[in-house]
Amino acid sequence: ETVLTQSPATLSLSPGERATLSCRASQNVSKSLAWHQQRRGQAPRLLIFNTCNRAAGVPARFSGSGSGTDFTLTISSLEPEDFAVYYCQQRSDWLTFGGGTKVEIK
Amino acid sequence: QLQESGPGLAKPSQTLSLTCFVSGASMSSDGYYWSWIRQHPGKGLEWIGYIYYTGTTFYNPSLKSRVTMSIETSKRRFSLNLSSVTAADTAVYYCASATCSTTPCHRPEFFQHWGRGTLVSVSS
Repeated sequence: ETVLTQSPATLSLSPGERATLSCRASQNVSKSLAWHQQRRGQAPRLLIFNTCNRAAGVPARFSGSGSGTDFTLTISSLEPEDFAVYYCQQRSDWLTFGGGTKVEIK
Repeated sequence: QLQESGPGLAKPSQTLSLTCFVSGASMSSDGYYWSWIRQHPGKGLEWIGYIYYTGTTFYNPSLKSRVTMSIETSKRRFSLNLSSVTAADTAVYYCASATCSTTPCHRPEFFQHWGRGTLVSVSS
């Protein structure tokens, strides 16, 4: 099983600041890495697929990068609605998720 | 759009049954895999399994012995049965569509659309 480790567990930032979230895979997943956002009390929604492709309707302030085992989700300037939990997800062997990073208001 | 339906309560040792209704997309489209994911209270996400329109299934190995999925494309729905449930199966259950960034898609890469989720509690 490919394990995804996300860091930090919690990120405390202010609106307008830049957020950098990390996801590390226990083995090479090539570029097959996605990011999902889950706002409080809501279902997750797809943000990024194939490492760096934004899903339909996702603002340009969200960007993804990386390959192999190390991946990053960057939010260039936090908006109030961006404070949420973010999960990375891969499909190398079967479909698994990271433990999540909570982006909270400082 | 996806919408989960089913009892919000199941008794220990019984079978949990949920159905997901799909609108706005053909369930028989190539490259779309109809999935179930769950989230224990306050915890992360766990993929349960997926089914293709042909009936082919692929389950999480940790749950495989208790999971059965089925699909009825003409009725625009797919279902999850989880047997021998315990309190540890208490979770929010989501249905989702999974696909790939390129075609052909023989194994899904990411979850594209999610249902709103339904809480299922296991208790006597």
